[in-house]
Amino acid sequence: DTAVSQTPKYLVTQMGNDKSIKCEQNLGHDTMYWYKQDSKKFLKIMFSYNNKELIINETVPNRFSPKSPDKAHLNLHINSLELGDSAVYFCASSQALAGVILDTQYFGPGTRLTVL
Amino acid sequence: EDKVVQSPLSLVVHEGDTVTLNCSYEVTNFRSLLWYKQEKKAPTFLFMLTSSGIEKKSGRLSSILDKKELFSILNITATQTGDSAIYLCAVLIQGAQKLVFGQGTRLTINP
Repeated sequence: DTAVSQTPKYLVTQMGNDKSIKCEQNLGHDTMYWYKQDSKKFLKIMFSYNNKELIINETVPNRFSPKSPDKAHLNLHINSLELGDSAVYFCASSQALAGVILDTQYFGPGTRLTVL
Repeated sequence: EDKVVQSPLSLVVHEGDTVTLNCSYEVTNFRSLLWYKQEKKAPTFLFMLTSSGIEKKSGRLSSILDKKELFSILNITATQTGDSAIYLCAVLIQGAQKLVFGQGTRLTINP
């Protein structure tokens, strides 16, 4: 059973297009994240949602808009894609209580986005 | 700014060798330090360290945290080719609900 899943696994698109990446977790966690991993393998947090509410937005361009329809899903929509957006995007989830993460974060398999 | 620095960035050894990976941090509000192993896809959890001086062990892997000197090490003994991966260190920031990652150490084990 997949704990954290993402679709698509690969996404190749032209500059200027709009695209979405979906994430779902079946762990019953209440906190979900999006991370970006660049070509040097550096993982950096972009967003975090707790119970469908945005709690972290790390100076990400407003072309990136996360949406959490429910606790188990966190989607990432990217408008007007740029070359520099090419990266691997990881979704993750964890359980938090009163603002404290109780457990480690579990990562999805990643979505490799290539902007041409 | 919260910072996590890993060294070395890259390491190549022979099967059977022992390796030590380093992670140092400067953060505003430390809660715990985590080690992950990343092969081709998602990072997978190895250890979470919260207290100084207590070694965590899992098979040939072990890790320890020094909260006074602000660093952690990950040891792998009797390395195998399957240990080849990027090892990521991350610090969990108290209250902020976020992990700050280091750059990773790319470990290659040659047969």
